[in-house]
Amino acid sequence: DSGVTQTPKHLITATGQRVTLRCSPRSGDLSVYWYQQSLDQGLQFLIHYYNGEERAKGNILERFSAQQFPDLHSELNLSSLELGDSALYFCASSVIAGEVDTQYFGPGTRLTVL
Amino acid sequence: AQSVAQPEDQVNVAEGNPLTVKCTYSVSGNPYLFWYVQYPNRGLQFLLKYITGDNLVKGSYGFEAEFNKSQTSFHLKKPSALVSDSALYFCAVRDPSYYGGSQGNLIFGKGTKLSVKP
Repeated sequence: DSGVTQTPKHLITATGQRVTLRCSPRSGDLSVYWYQQSLDQGLQFLIHYYNGEERAKGNILERFSAQQFPDLHSELNLSSLELGDSALYFCASSVIAGEVDTQYFGPGTRLTVL
Repeated sequence: AQSVAQPEDQVNVAEGNPLTVKCTYSVSGNPYLFWYVQYPNRGLQFLLKYITGDNLVKGSYGFEAEFNKSQTSFHLKKPSALVSDSALYFCAVRDPSYYGGSQGNLIFGKGTKLSVKP
């Protein structure tokens, strides 16, 4: 158990809908990263927050957004969902945001868009 | 741009034999390299990382990795494989490109499926 929690574990929804994925980092970790894992794209970086502020954006669609709250938990919002958004979404946390930091991953949320 | 390659989609090993999962990297600047393992329906678990220093890095569950700068490789190894080691293994490199320098998210290889047979 990495200490990173994600809810829900599974999410099934329809095209055009909006969902929110939640991540709680390990105690004391200030950084939260979001990644998407799909069969065709592999594991891809979406976005990074550090202590409440957005630090970097990767291959994140405009329909997706995220935020990190004062208690350091983070939410990833996915809207106008398409079939291709079906994937496993991971969050990872690290103590700070340094390049030598280890990122610890949560169990993921499996999103299925029908 | 930073990248990692895992040339083998699958590696098959008999239990008790040594195993190697290959990874090569391409980075500008210092390479910060990581190995993670993913069991079915689970998240990624950190195994080990190379930052600097000794080229042989020891990690969790008896795994180790050898950093080779001249060959730009970071192969994962274990002297004696267990059936329970069967999983998907990912090599990753830190990517500072979105940050203008330090820090950075991870760039992952496509993964190698390790199958250990009794």
